[in-house]
Parts: sequence; structure tokens; C-alpha cells
Amino acid sequence: AQSVTQLDSQVPVFEEAPVELRCNYSSSVSVYLFWYVQYPNQGLQLLLKYLSGSTLVESINGFEAEFNKSQTSFHLRKPSVHISDTAEYFCAVSEVGSGTYKYIFGTGTRLKVLA
Amino acid sequence: KAGVTQTPRYLIKTRGQQVTLSCSPISGHRSVSWYQQTPGQGLQFLFEYFSETQRNKGNFPGRFSGRQFSNSRSEMNVSTLELGDSALYLCASSPGDREVEQYFGPGTRLTVT
Repeated sequence: AQSVTQLDSQVPVFEEAPVELRCNYSSSVSVYLFWYVQYPNQGLQLLLKYLSGSTLVESINGFEAEFNKSQTSFHLRKPSVHISDTAEYFCAVSEVGSGTYKYIFGTGTRLKVLA
Repeated sequence: KAGVTQTPRYLIKTRGQQVTLSCSPISGHRSVSWYQQTPGQGLQFLFEYFSETQRNKGNFPGRFSGRQFSNSRSEMNVSTLELGDSALYLCASSPGDREVEQYFGPGTRLTVT
């Protein structure tokens, strides 16, 4: 069975400062990794994904995440945040080759960008 | 392409009643999954349907059931509602082939009083 840990429930950061949201996972099999973002009263939007290949993945809005197999981590980073990045961020894993789309989510990190 | 749509967006029910939620996936997507989101338990997987067959199921009581139709639209039913069933219910769709990411709808906010 897989599990996902997001240690920080809330992260306040000033605008234009860098931010890192941490995600660690546990699994006995290979996994796919995802970051989703949820704005108030909305569903989840896929931010980025790691399926295979390069361990550094990037999104179109400046976020990046690096898959570290030895540390079983998939931390999300952004070098300079904007007010509009204020949202809740969820890390998720899915078992490779399972044949289903069951995602295991972390408990989420609320990013609050301060002016 | 239109995104995943869920109806209704908001729902208020009384304990003991039953409720049916609907999800229309992205056109061409054959897999539909359902998740429950609550402040206490976070996001939890309910079940996944692919080509009208339940392919996986989470750890929820039998009061929670679902189905998928031939056009890939899916419904989720909760019978004998309890206060603890109050949650945001999210539907996600995926092509169902080699693409592994899911695309989520806006959710249905269910309040049980």
C-alpha cells in the first residue's frame, strides 16, 4: 500500500519569495507522482506529473518538482511566488502498472502568499 | 474540449435520505473515478469505473455505490445519509489507456443536516 505525507499543513510566504512544499511517499512498488492545486470552491487542477525519465519536471506557471527515489520525495518548488499562487496543493501517487486510476493523496498544504 | 462536469454543484439533504450525484467525463474518456474530500480525512478514493465496470473500490461502506453508463457518464449514490457524509465529492476522468493523469471536475458539495 502507498501513503503520502505532506508535513506542512500551512506555508505562509511573502510575494516574490521562493517556496518549497514538501511531499514524501511510501510504496513497495514503483509509483507515478503528481501535484494538484485546488483554489477555493473549485476542483483539483493538475500542476505537474512525474511518470518516468527526467527527475525534474516543470509546469507552465513556474513551478517545478524533483523526484528523488532514494529519499522517496517529490518536493514542489517555485523561485518567486505571486499572490495568485495562494491555494491548497496536494501531492498524490498512483501505482505503476496497476491498471486502475486509484490515487493516494497527501493531506494538502495551504500556501498563503502575503503582500 | 469541455472539462469534467458534475451536477448538482450544491446539495442539502437530511439524515436517512439518499442522494445521487452525476458526473460527465471529458469527451472520449472511458475511466471515471470518485473521491470524497473532507477537512478531517482529506481526499479519499471511493471507486473507479472503466467501460461500465467497477475496476477498483476504496474502503467505504456499502451505502456508497456507483455505476457508469455506456456513454461513460457516471453516477454515485449514497443511501441512508449520515452527518459524516457531508463532504465535497469529486469526480475525475481519464482516457483509460496509457495516459495516467486524471482530470477533476468542480465537485458536488453535499451537506447532510
